[in-house]
Amino acid sequence: GENVEQHPSTLSVQEGDSAVIKCTYSDSASNYFPWYKQELGKGPQLIIDIRSNVGEKKDQRIAVTLNKTAKHFSLHITETQPEDSAVYFCAASPRSYNTDKLIFGTGTRLQVFP
Amino acid sequence: DAGVIQSPRHEVTEMGQEVTLRCKPISGHNSLFWYRQTMMRGLELLIYFNNNVPIDDSGMPEDRFSAKMPNASFSTLKIQPSEPRDSAVYFCASKRERTNTGELFFGEGSRLTVL
Repeated sequence: GENVEQHPSTLSVQEGDSAVIKCTYSDSASNYFPWYKQELGKGPQLIIDIRSNVGEKKDQRIAVTLNKTAKHFSLHITETQPEDSAVYFCAASPRSYNTDKLIFGTGTRLQVFP
Repeated sequence: DAGVIQSPRHEVTEMGQEVTLRCKPISGHNSLFWYRQTMMRGLELLIYFNNNVPIDDSGMPEDRFSAKMPNASFSTLKIQPSEPRDSAVYFCASKRERTNTGELFFGEGSRLTVL
């Protein structure tokens, strides 16, 4: 089955700096890679996703890149702000006719200091 | 629009007691997922349903755990008997599409503490 590894587990940056979180996946059949943000006391919320037929996707200050050959994908947050502080999860979903599982990484706690 | 609704938000119980967690998915969503979150293991998928039918329960830890979805608007996750290692935050999530893509909408979670 799919296995997703995520690094780093914690990340501290100064406001205005960039933050990068990296994930690797094991199942070459995976074709969908979302990123979720979890604020304290709440459930995770989708912030951006990418499909395997695309190498990069951008939405304002956040971007995701995908390298299918190496089986890794990354989240990039530019011009970080204190409200970006949260736990971020990557995930992967294998393309299969009989499953719509989403397997999550172990999370990265991002702290943005003003 | 109401999101995914979970209850209770917090539960403290003693080892050996039965625990029932409840979930109301977003209306019109066809898929429902139960996840467990711990510091050590992150977000683990326990079980998911499509159109009220359990599709994959391979993540359910053991026979003490069971889940049901009697109709499209209600699901339960039951632990009987509960053990201290079951302490975690349990999330319910729902999704509109019956495909492997698309946004998963999470509830706010049920924090379970087993003493």
